[in-house]
This record gives sequence, structure tokens and C-alpha cells, in this order.
Amino acid sequence: KNEVEQSPQNLTAQEGEFITINCSYSVGISALHWLQQHPGGGIVSLFMLSSGKKKHGRLIATINIQEKHSSLHITASHPRDSAVYICAVSGGSNYKLTFGKGTLLTVNP
Amino acid sequence: DAGVTQSPTHLIKTRGQQVTLRCSPISGHKSVSWYQQVLGQGPQFIFQYYEKEERGRGNFPDRFSARQFPNYSSELNVNALLLGDSALYLCASSIPGQGNTEAFFGQGTRLTVV
Repeated sequence: KNEVEQSPQNLTAQEGEFITINCSYSVGISALHWLQQHPGGGIVSLFMLSSGKKKHGRLIATINIQEKHSSLHITASHPRDSAVYICAVSGGSNYKLTFGKGTLLTVNP
Repeated sequence: DAGVTQSPTHLIKTRGQQVTLRCSPISGHKSVSWYQQVLGQGPQFIFQYYEKEERGRGNFPDRFSARQFPNYSSELNVNALLLGDSALYLCASSIPGQGNTEAFFGQGTRLTVV
């Protein structure tokens, strides 16, 4: 079993829909990261969370430390949101990210 | 200010050859990490370097090696290339803290081994 599990693996939505991507982890962490990867490979950090909730524009990330679960929400989705969204966790003083496999999001116009 | 830069962006090598990938971190970042991402999978941790010393190593064979230079740039070397080494190699830089440190990624080097 992977240390970081994401669901769903693939998600197709219509423009304007509310999107939720889930992440569960099985190890102790100091922070959880949500990242976005577009075709071509570059990864962009969206959020880094250690507790509670963060919001940036149409993106919202929440984490429940007790349940070892995090969600990424996208409100009013747009075709430009189409990308792979990856959950990763870090822990300890040795900075190492352990990644989930990613969720491929396709938003159709 | 420039972000994390990696070179080359694409590379094709033959089985058995050796390859060197390069990474320049964001100015002021002293920690560099390398990740391998095969198609359809999340990135896998290869190495972390901080202040020119290896601070962490993932589950990769000894064919993989890396180093960090005084200017904090880094090189990843892979010897005796195998077809399975074909992947996107990502470099991330950070200001190391107690784990709660945001990582900044380069665009990656796409290596194809034929």
C-alpha cells in the first residue's frame, strides 16, 4: 500500500462544476503539499498545509490531521484548470517529499 | 528572480551510456532534491543535498549519484543506462527548515533511453 493515496485517479468535469480531489496518507507528517503539473512536466506548488484550511482564489485545501486526510477543492472550474493534481507529504528535518500518483483533471467547456 | 532551472530539457541516450543532468536552485536556496517520475506515476525521491552534503537517498541503485557545488547547483549522474531509466527527472530547491518548507520545482529533464 502506498504511503500517499489519491482519489479519484481521473476526473472529468464540465466548466463551472465544483471539484474535489482527496488525499489520504499513512505516515506521520510535518506538512502536506498540493501541487499542479501541466503537460510538459513542470510542477507548481499550490498549497502547503500543516493544519486547517487555506484558500487561494478558486482553490481551497483542507487537512484533517487526526484522520490523515486532505482535500483539494476547485470552485467554478475552468478548462485552464485541466492538469494533474498531486498530493505529497513531508516530514522530519530531512526534506523529502513522498508523492501520490496524481489525479488527472479534465475540465470540458 | 529566476526559478529553478534544469538542463537539458530533453535528452536521448542509448542503453549503457552515462548521463549528467544539471540543476540550478533559486538564489538563496541551499537544499536541492532530485526526483524521478516515470509515466503515469508520482515522482520518486532520489537524493537530497544540503550544503554540499548528501542528506537523504531514496531506493535507487548505485548507478545513480549526485553532487552539489559551492554555488549550490547540483548534478545528477546516471551510469550504465537502462531502458527503465527513461523518465522525467525533476529538481526541487528549498530553504531547509524542519520539514515545513515549500519546494520549488524546475521544468524537468525528460530522458529517453533507447
